[in-house]
Amino acid sequence: NAGVMQNPRHLVRRRGQEARLRCSPMKGHSHVYWYRQLPEEGLKFMVYLQKENIIDESGMPKERFSAEFPKEGPSILRIQQVVRGDSAAYFCASSPISNEQFFGPGTRLTVL
Amino acid sequence: QKEVEQDPGPLSVPEGAIVSLNCTYSNSAFQYFMWYRQYSRKGPELLMYTYSSGNKEDGRFTAQVDKSSKYISLFIRDSQPSDSATYLCAIKGSGANNLFFGTGTRLTVIP
Repeated sequence: NAGVMQNPRHLVRRRGQEARLRCSPMKGHSHVYWYRQLPEEGLKFMVYLQKENIIDESGMPKERFSAEFPKEGPSILRIQQVVRGDSAAYFCASSPISNEQFFGPGTRLTVL
Repeated sequence: QKEVEQDPGPLSVPEGAIVSLNCTYSNSAFQYFMWYRQYSRKGPELLMYTYSSGNKEDGRFTAQVDKSSKYISLFIRDSQPSDSATYLCAIKGSGANNLFFGTGTRLTVIP
């Protein structure tokens, strides 16, 4: 059973460009969460999605950030017009109905 | 006040030592408690998950929860160099969607 998959693992963007981060949950998991980890800080919740629905986006910045989890395909975290402060590791987690969340390897975004 | 506080360390111990990692939390509504291990530049790996006060053991790892004190601990017995990593506590409320994480404690086990 493959774990949570994320790609790309590393992403470099220039200021003003768009970043697209992908997450495929574990087989059988229909709940997806996105977290951001800044250097020397803990993981911070961004958004929680189920198939075709955003359930909780209370941790998502109001501008430039969006997320989706379509009926087919991976969940996408999209950051428009990236700025240097967006540089971080972005982790996706998935869960079955239970409370346990299983994390992917992360995407490390660097904004030049 | 942060939802969960964790001593960032770093913590260095000799191989074979017993390691104690701790977190405190602020909201008594939190009911689910997890410990994750994160190796450098990797994703967090779920180690322990518990939802009640008391101890839960899995091999060399023991998770302890004291809800009256809002205090959780992870003990590692017979520590190994391969245990060198950052350990993150995470907590969740009933009905809540997200985990609240501590900042992590960096552990080094010296051979």
